[in-house]
Amino acid sequence: QSVLTQPPSASGTPGQRVTISCSGSSSNIGSNTANWYQQLPGTAPKVLINNNNKRPSGVPDRFSGSKSGTSASLAISGLQSEDEADYYCATWDDSLNGWVFGGGTKLTVL
Amino acid sequence: EVQLVESGGGLVQPGGSLRLSCAASGFTFSTYWMHWVRQAPGKGLEWVANIKEDGRETYYVDSVKGRFTISRDNAKNSLYLQMNSLRAEDTAVYYCASLSVGWGQGTLVTVSS
Repeated sequence: QSVLTQPPSASGTPGQRVTISCSGSSSNIGSNTANWYQQLPGTAPKVLINNNNKRPSGVPDRFSGSKSGTSASLAISGLQSEDEADYYCATWDDSLNGWVFGGGTKLTVL
Repeated sequence: EVQLVESGGGLVQPGGSLRLSCAASGFTFSTYWMHWVRQAPGKGLEWVANIKEDGRETYYVDSVKGRFTISRDNAKNSLYLQMNSLRAEDTAVYYCASLSVGWGQGTLVTVSS
């Protein structure tokens, strides 16, 4: 059971907007910034969003992150077939003294 | 371009040891916390350990405390993970990462007799 809770799956059609949630607590998302990672099938994870809403160079602006209270969200607009991947949220947990990851959300583009 | 290249994985018997290495380039290695994250076959990501920029602070997930040691050599832009007393449940792909900048391609560790 992951400390951060994500829906196991999400789906959308090309061009749609999809949102993936990440629910935590006051000791993790509530007091620290959240990152998001994309893992395409058979590949290593890639940094998609850091510090709640910052996109590293090269990440399309179709991807955006936000945080409110003890939850974070990843939004993908203009969904494309190549967005089909697993998405993970992560942050530092002050009580565990370690980083924690969400269980991952498998995004399917219908 | 950020590059992180892991090495040192392989097959090891339960109770054995392995040392993973990670060579970094394309960013100022000495100014970032560095991490090891693992992924068991068919499972999600699990954070293993991290180390502060100057190497003076380290943290571990409970399941590896006392068995794994993370270290770094900023002069060589390198990160290490010494893994002792390995168990079957440590079987996973191990990634070297700066969680805000980039990830390596991973190295597979298989613990089996």
